Amino acid sequence: SQTIHQWPATLVQPVGSPLSLECTVEGTSNPNLYWYRQAAGRGLQLLFYSVGIGQISSEVPQNLSASRPQDRQFILSSKKLLLSDSGFYLCAWRGGLGLADTQYFGPGTRLTVL
Amino acid sequence: GDSVTQMEGPVTLSEEAFLTINCTYTATGYPSLFWYVQYPGEGLQLLLKATKADDKGSNKGFEATYRKETTSFHLEKGSVQVSDSAVYFCALRNNNDMRFGAGTRLTVKP
Repeated sequence: SQTIHQWPATLVQPVGSPLSLECTVEGTSNPNLYWYRQAAGRGLQLLFYSVGIGQISSEVPQNLSASRPQDRQFILSSKKLLLSDSGFYLCAWRGGLGLADTQYFGPGTRLTVL
Repeated sequence: GDSVTQMEGPVTLSEEAFLTINCTYTATGYPSLFWYVQYPGEGLQLLLKATKADDKGSNKGFEATYRKETTSFHLEKGSVQVSDSAVYFCALRNNNDMRFGAGTRLTVKP
């Protein structure tokens, strides 16, 4: 079966520090991968999605970036965090034939920028 | 563009009460519709889905029917439990595009 991992689970970082959040998927190949942010008490905001290795699409301009160095690995990064980057970051995947209709989410990373 | 609108929360109910969370959508073509649930401190879990008009998705006592004529996918449960307290998201997928509603927080009191 498919499993999606995210780490770390929680992170407290000072303003201006770098960020690296990692997401990996097991049990599937060539998934579509997504990064969402959920600000406190708010809905989901799609940040990035990827349909393949090295292919990244950005939904909103920001100081975040994403990379997909391997088929089942998706990384969210920042060179310098802002206070407004605080939130709950969710990785999701959507699979191929038979699983293409649904997104499945990881457990999330709660980021607090101080 | 496509969009999902769901009723604003928070919703507070007593245990065993009937639950309805309204969801309507705007989309071209024939989207698939979903309800996700997010328990405190966790990611989103798929609760149920429907892929075509008049389909009914169901899981854990929750139901939702895909109504194309009213562009709705309302979530219902006949008797809620304290453990159902969570945030519920309505979503649609149209081709490669997935859209989520803003979420509705449900609190069930004993």
